[in-house]
Amino acid sequence: SQTIHQWPATLVQPVGSPLSLECTVEGTSNPNLYWYRQAAGRGLQLLFYSVGIGQISSEVPQNLSASRPQDRQFILSSKKLLLSDSGFYLCAWSVNEQGGAFFGQGTRLTVV
Amino acid sequence: AQTVTQSQPEMSVQEAETVTLSCTYDTSENNYYLFWYKQPPSRQMILVIRQEAYKQQNATENRFSVNFQKAAKSFSLKISDSQLGDTAMYFCAFISGTYKYIFGTGTRLKVLA
Repeated sequence: SQTIHQWPATLVQPVGSPLSLECTVEGTSNPNLYWYRQAAGRGLQLLFYSVGIGQISSEVPQNLSASRPQDRQFILSSKKLLLSDSGFYLCAWSVNEQGGAFFGQGTRLTVV
Repeated sequence: AQTVTQSQPEMSVQEAETVTLSCTYDTSENNYYLFWYKQPPSRQMILVIRQEAYKQQNATENRFSVNFQKAAKSFSLKISDSQLGDTAMYFCAFISGTYKYIFGTGTRLKVLA
């Protein structure tokens, strides 16, 4: 069966520090991968998605970037965090549209 | 642009009663897929139910069912025999040929004992 691992679960970082959130998927090949951000009490904002190694589509111009160095690995990064980067970050995978997306447990990022 | 709207920010229901959460969407596509997700206090997103737009029959998963009205672009979720464990945020989502799942802003449901 497929599983998704996302870490860390919680992160507190100072303004201006770098960020690296990692997500890996097991049990499937060539998944579509996603990074979403959820602000407190709000919906999910799509940040990046990837349909293959090295293929990254950005949805929102911002302080963040994403990379997919391996088929089942998706990384969210920032060189210098802003206060506005605080939020709940969710990684997800899918293999086809009709199956839906499946989410990791999320990372709560607080920038102080 | 494709959009998903959930007009009920919060709802409550008595345990064992039935509740319906509303969702509307806007698209010019004919083939697409719709989903309801549950996000309990743990914040883990859980897929509850899915519906293919080309299917007229409404999807059902145990106590969860949908009312899919394609012409009206409406996709509501009905929870029967509500349980305390149903307390969560519920998100409606849409996808059509773009790889991108688009989510509504959510409805916070509280089941009252």
